Amino acid sequence: DGGITQSPKYLFRKEGQNVTLSCEQNLNHDAMYWYRQDPGQGLRLIYYSQIVNDFQKGDIAEGYSVSREKKESFPLTVTSAQKNPTAFYLCASIPRGQITEAFFGQGTRLTVV
Amino acid sequence: KQEVTQIPAALSVPEGENLVLNCSFTDSAIYNLQWFRQDPGKGLTSLLLIQSSQREQTSGRLNASLDKSSGRSTLYIAASQPGDSATYLCAVPNAGGTSYGKLTFGQGTILTVHP
Repeated sequence: DGGITQSPKYLFRKEGQNVTLSCEQNLNHDAMYWYRQDPGQGLRLIYYSQIVNDFQKGDIAEGYSVSREKKESFPLTVTSAQKNPTAFYLCASIPRGQITEAFFGQGTRLTVV
Repeated sequence: KQEVTQIPAALSVPEGENLVLNCSFTDSAIYNLQWFRQDPGKGLTSLLLIQSSQREQTSGRLNASLDKSSGRSTLYIAASQPGDSATYLCAVPNAGGTSYGKLTFGQGTILTVHP
């Protein structure tokens, strides 16, 4: 079935550690997005990519990094510079060339221990 | 900058009631508006996408309306059921330029339908 797969579902990070969240899609969508969700704050955009080998910062990019080496994959690295990384992370994709429906993965819950 | 507001923040109703969730946005130059459902600890499931040229979109017991000129959308849920309990989010995309497809979300309405 076509869709977006995020892994892992739960992730625990120690202080000072970098961790990488995976997002894979088989929808042949060009554009991919990472959002962060905190209670009471809604979803905020971290990074997005409209084509392979290109990406832009969203509203809260500090402490995060991404890569887009393949159309299907858009991994997010939460670096030690991100001081408050505990949150729910959601990946999304849409096809380029038309404004249409966005599809989301099932999310990754990141907790600092 | 686009801002999206959802009212009410939370709603609790008995089973069988018809209900309306509200979404307002500050910039009326939108291409579409999307309503999502989110269950606790889960991702977002798309419910309805209403294009800017449409005034209504229906799926089963759900009906979404859009009034671009006033910057408002409503999601109508008919004959609510306990299984409808979830958080409902509306979102509008930025169009064109380098921020293509970037979604701005409301903070959501937490719906509880009790038996």
